[in-house]
Amino acid sequence: ETGVTQTPRHLVMGMTNKKSLKCEQHLGHNAMYWYKQSAKKPLELMFVYNFKEQTENNSVPSRFSPECPNSSHLFLHLHTLQPEDSALYLCASSELPGRSADTQYFGPGTRLTVL
Amino acid sequence: DAKTTQPTSMDCAEGRAANLPCNHSTISGNEYVYWYRQIHSQGPQYIIHGLKNNETNEMASLIITEDRKSSTLILPHATLRDTAVYYCIGRFQGAQKLVFGQGTRLTINP
Repeated sequence: ETGVTQTPRHLVMGMTNKKSLKCEQHLGHNAMYWYKQSAKKPLELMFVYNFKEQTENNSVPSRFSPECPNSSHLFLHLHTLQPEDSALYLCASSELPGRSADTQYFGPGTRLTVL
Repeated sequence: DAKTTQPTSMDCAEGRAANLPCNHSTISGNEYVYWYRQIHSQGPQYIIHGLKNNETNEMASLIITEDRKSSTLILPHATLRDTAVYYCIGRFQGAQKLVFGQGTRLTINP
């Protein structure tokens, strides 16, 4: 238990559906992250939020839309996804962005399958 | 971030020390060495990190060579639950991006 929770843990959706992934951190951290892990590929950073402001978008397609209403919550809104978007989506948080050794703590992930 | 090189896979007997090597010959003076592990289909778990000195916590020890070109993660008494993929990551001071490679798949055998 890392203090970072993600819901749902599993999601199956069609290409025309709209769904959202939710992440919540109970650590009092100020930075939150979305990562994607496709089958047999390394984790890839998608988005970074510092103090609710997006500071990094790693060339992610617009069908993925993040939202960070406060420092404890992070959402990833999904629409018109493709089957190749099927992956494990991981949320992480860290205490103070830019600090010398700012460790990221990960949630358990949402396993997404796009049919 | 420094490119890191790890063996693809390793085996270790339960109860023995597991020593996982990592080469990072291009590491800069202000780059930390981080270790995470990922048990199948779960989120990565932070293990330990260091800059120059050796580090130890309740999970593991990190030994960094004096020239900082390589390091070794030591799990002192491996258990079956330590079976996972272990990632060695070089990370600049203040950088937020974690760049994961392929890691080492460690299998602990009974």
